[in-house]
Amino acid sequence: GAGVSQSPSNKVTEKGKDVELRCDPISGHTALYWYRQRLGQGLEFLIYFQGNSAPDKSGLPSDRFSAERTGESVSTLTIQRTQQEDSAVYLCASSLSAGVGYTIYFGEGSWLTVV
Amino acid sequence: EDKVVQSPLSLVVHEGDTVTLNCSYEVTNFRSLLWYKQEKKAPTFLFMLTSSGIEKKSGRLSSILDKKELFSILNITATQTGDSAVYLCAVEARGGGSQGNLIFGKGTKLSVKP
Repeated sequence: GAGVSQSPSNKVTEKGKDVELRCDPISGHTALYWYRQRLGQGLEFLIYFQGNSAPDKSGLPSDRFSAERTGESVSTLTIQRTQQEDSAVYLCASSLSAGVGYTIYFGEGSWLTVV
Repeated sequence: EDKVVQSPLSLVVHEGDTVTLNCSYEVTNFRSLLWYKQEKKAPTFLFMLTSSGIEKKSGRLSSILDKKELFSILNITATQTGDSAVYLCAVEARGGGSQGNLIFGKGTKLSVKP
């Protein structure tokens, strides 16, 4: 597609439920990144993929968070047993490859509210 | 610990003013510094800087990097109300498993009044 596409754009879920957030990167981009932005806070790195493998998962806040990517394309970020502190905008980004010189483009984000 | 600090945190100016936004960083094995504009949810890319002293320009916006003093500035001349946004600075650090890890500052919220 023309840009990074994320769905859903907004999700309200009850505490304890699982949610899946989807990211469709720019066609041909091999690197894909997930970030979290809580209200009034900066962007927190969660995980990135180069192809289908995730060399850096250091930002995942807990074992309730997982992500996968298939076909070097779509990625899903799954949050199990959601907690209220998981409420945030989850931003996905992609670039042609991971590394210096490759511009990272962001999607519009998925706004998650846990009630 | 790697960190990126932006200042000021917020700024209110009038249309036509010139503003300078600051970004200082401490990272191990610097690779690049990026500026983004965030109006709603999605940050949009402005500049990527890898070399010291070379100014990047795009219309009324310009940016420069000083790798010796570890900072960058983003200048906006003749500001317009459409420039109102949060401006994010991010640094990419080299090495190991953190190849894709951009370290973001908290941003500078710019409000341009008519």
